[in-house]
Amino acid sequence: EDQVTQSPEALRLQEGESSSLNCSYTVSGLRGLFWYRQDPGKGPEFLFTLYSAGEEKEKERLKATLTKKESFLHITAPKPEDSATYLCAVQAGYGGATNKLIFGTGTLLAVQP
Amino acid sequence: EPEVTQTPSHQVTQMGQEVILRCVPISNHLYFYWYRQILGQKVEFLVSFYNNEISEKSEIFDDQFSVERPDGSNFTLKIRSTKLEDSAMYFCASRSRENYGYTFGSGTRLTVV
Repeated sequence: EDQVTQSPEALRLQEGESSSLNCSYTVSGLRGLFWYRQDPGKGPEFLFTLYSAGEEKEKERLKATLTKKESFLHITAPKPEDSATYLCAVQAGYGGATNKLIFGTGTLLAVQP
Repeated sequence: EPEVTQTPSHQVTQMGQEVILRCVPISNHLYFYWYRQILGQKVEFLVSFYNNEISEKSEIFDDQFSVERPDGSNFTLKIRSTKLEDSAMYFCASRSRENYGYTFGSGTRLTVV
């Protein structure tokens, strides 16, 4: 069964204190791994898509990396406005045009000033 | 930046009543989805829609649920006879091509009383 596990469940950082969030996955044929940011009461906001092991993508203070078993979201010198829940999701399966996303439970990040 | 629009943002309904949740996907997107998130739980796939038909659905998406794309812009989710356990945030998502990022709407909070 396809599975996505995120850790830690919650993370509290001081402003400027860099850290990493983990997303490990077990899927039958990875087609893409997605990182989203979700603010309370809002929909997931797209951050990155990674397609193959070794791939890296960056956006401002965020950097996502991918291996064959897991992905990391590195947050460098976070600010309070980076506080949110970060969701990892995978698109799995072979062929077809409409593969669903399988989500992890998310990491709730709180950055204190 | 193009966005997925969902209405209403919050709907309260009595158990057993029918509800229709509405979505306007991004105009050039081809693939459409409904997901839901029960409070405190992970985002779950409900259904995907492509080329004017359902392409995949989850076990949650039983006979009480239906989707329609009645014209070139709207995408709706109907729940025929709501249950208390249908209370959740419902997210519409769309994407332009296979393996491209999914864009989510802000969601409709459905409360069944």
